[in-house]
Amino acid sequence: DAKTTQPPSMDCAEGRAANLPCNHSTISGNEYVYWYRQIHSQGPQYIIHGLKNNETNEMASLIITEDRKSSTLILPHATLRDTAVYYCIVRVRWGSYIPTFGRGTSLIVHP
Amino acid sequence: DTAVSQTPKYLVTQMGNDKSIKCEQNLGHDTMYWYKQDSKKFLKIMFSYNNKELIINETVPNRFSPKSPDKAHLNLHINSLELGDSAVYFCASSPPGGNTGELFFGEGSRLTVL
Repeated sequence: DAKTTQPPSMDCAEGRAANLPCNHSTISGNEYVYWYRQIHSQGPQYIIHGLKNNETNEMASLIITEDRKSSTLILPHATLRDTAVYYCIVRVRWGSYIPTFGRGTSLIVHP
Repeated sequence: DTAVSQTPKYLVTQMGNDKSIKCEQNLGHDTMYWYKQDSKKFLKIMFSYNNKELIINETVPNRFSPKSPDKAHLNLHINSLELGDSAVYFCASSPPGGNTGELFFGEGSRLTVL
């Protein structure tokens, strides 16, 4: 699986958009970008994934650059409950590969 | 309804004891996993089972033995517990058909070895 690089921490004001970057410059053509988050003391939660098109669901939006070497997870109106560690993972979608989690980005949403 | 449930949520025990953590998923998934998250918050894969068969076993001591009685359950038994086993253990599952990208995690079981 391609390696990812994320800033260790970020902060955001409540109600504003939180834009979390992820660099995956060695991504290959069949690898997807997945985002998870882990709220303190809870199990990680799947957020969204994409291959090359931008994706949106009820939780977030995922913007993938045209060369696919980086992506941004957008929480359009961050709330205090979005304070969590956000993990960006790049991997093939199908097969026996096991998602490996890095350090992620610790996002703090403040009032 | 809880999709992936683990019991117990907290476990405090002495060194040398044997303990088990149970995991059940009601999502109809084929593949289940155990992850360990230590005090440094690094989430590491331990085991992966597909339809009751072991498919991944990372470098985990033999004291750890997963057991899958059916594809909805994956239990973790730990023998001769050591201080370094203290961690939060997460069970997870992923959809059938080989789609292992979307993991659904349980709430974790915090093990403290004294």
